[in-house]
Amino acid sequence: DTGVSQDPRHKITKRGQNVTFRCDPISEHNRLYWYRQTLGQGPEFLTYFQNEAQLEKSRLLSDRFSAERPKGSFSTLEIQRTEQGDSAMYLCASSSGWDSPYEQYFGPGTRLTVT
Amino acid sequence: GNSVTQMEGPVTLSEEAFLTINCTYTATGYPSLFWYVQYPGEGLQLLLKATKADDKGSNKGFEATYRKETTSFHLEKGSVQVSDSAVYFCALIPQGGSEKLVFGKGTKLTVNP
Repeated sequence: DTGVSQDPRHKITKRGQNVTFRCDPISEHNRLYWYRQTLGQGPEFLTYFQNEAQLEKSRLLSDRFSAERPKGSFSTLEIQRTEQGDSAMYLCASSSGWDSPYEQYFGPGTRLTVT
Repeated sequence: GNSVTQMEGPVTLSEEAFLTINCTYTATGYPSLFWYVQYPGEGLQLLLKATKADDKGSNKGFEATYRKETTSFHLEKGSVQVSDSAVYFCALIPQGGSEKLVFGKGTKLTVNP
């Protein structure tokens, strides 16, 4: 059973560029979550999916952020017109939905640096 | 709103010392409580959890008890090892159907031989 994988692991981009991150959950996990972690802080919830449906979005997810999970498997998180304040670690997690509260398994994260 | 407060770090201990990392929470009703650990260069891992008052979660020698009366979930270990050096996060999931984890800021633990 492979864990949650994220790609890329690191991304450096210039301010104003668009970036897209991918998350592959554990096989057969129907729930997928995105979090953002800045230096010295705990992760902050961004959004989550049950299968294809995006069920909850944080106010942190501005109009420049969009997340999709088109076939209920992998998910993408896109940030448009990046700003320096977007520099952070973006974490993905998945859960099976079989046990409540659903245990979330985290991936290694994608570290974004906006220059 | 829902929030988690953990003791400020960093915490430095000698091997075999006793560890306590304090965690208190603010939430309505009965949230589920968690401790996650992040080892250097690795992703977050669930360490232990408790889902109702007076439950004790335990794993790898770590324990935490869900105290509703003090809204606390302090992490303890009787004898730490160098391999326990990591960042520890206390977190909650609110009661009532939300699935989002609300994390504290984390406490960095360094254990010296």
